[in-house]
Amino acid sequence: AQSVTQLGSHVSVSEGALVLLRCNYSSSVPPYLFWYVQYPNQGLQLLLKYTSAATLVKGINGFEAEFKKSETSFHLTKPSAHMSDAAEYFCAVRGSGTSYDKVIFGPGTSLSVIP
Amino acid sequence: NAGVTQTPKFQVLKTGQSMTLQCAQDMNHNSMYWYRQDPGMGLRLIYYSASEGTTDKGEVPNGYNVSRLNKREFSLRLESAAPSQTSVYFCASSQYRTGNHEQFFGPGTRLTVL
Repeated sequence: AQSVTQLGSHVSVSEGALVLLRCNYSSSVPPYLFWYVQYPNQGLQLLLKYTSAATLVKGINGFEAEFKKSETSFHLTKPSAHMSDAAEYFCAVRGSGTSYDKVIFGPGTSLSVIP
Repeated sequence: NAGVTQTPKFQVLKTGQSMTLQCAQDMNHNSMYWYRQDPGMGLRLIYYSASEGTTDKGEVPNGYNVSRLNKREFSLRLESAAPSQTSVYFCASSQYRTGNHEQFFGPGTRLTVL
């Protein structure tokens, strides 16, 4: 069965510093992987997705993620944090078999940006 | 283009009361989903509907029922609310059959059960 783990329920970075949010997945089939962002009191929106094309995926707002099959990882990075990046970030993996039409979400990482 | 809309935005219920959360999408998507979000647990799937006329249980269906009224609308009903159902509820839709598994989310309903 597919699953996602996110290391660190809360991450704090200084404004201008590198953002690194970690995601590891378990999948019985070639995975489709996603990062979603949730701003306070809003729904989730897609940041980026990996669908077996390029291993380095670029998303919105300067974020990118690299798919590493050997490490079963899909970490999210941004070179320079901005105050507006403060939000909850969810890694997710597409289901397989009878769950093909579902997405399994990780527990989330809350990002704080310190001025 | 409104995307995914949910009503109400906030609701307070007493234990044992019933209510229906409404969701509608205007993107002509086949699949629709109901999730609940609780601190530290991410999003958990309650029910989903792969197409009009079909519904299936997700990870945490107990205490809930759903109706896929038509292609646009997917409602979630709590027949007898319990404090454990205090949560934020999100509706989502997707068009996975085209190979695009991106899910589009509504703004959520914050439900408190006293």
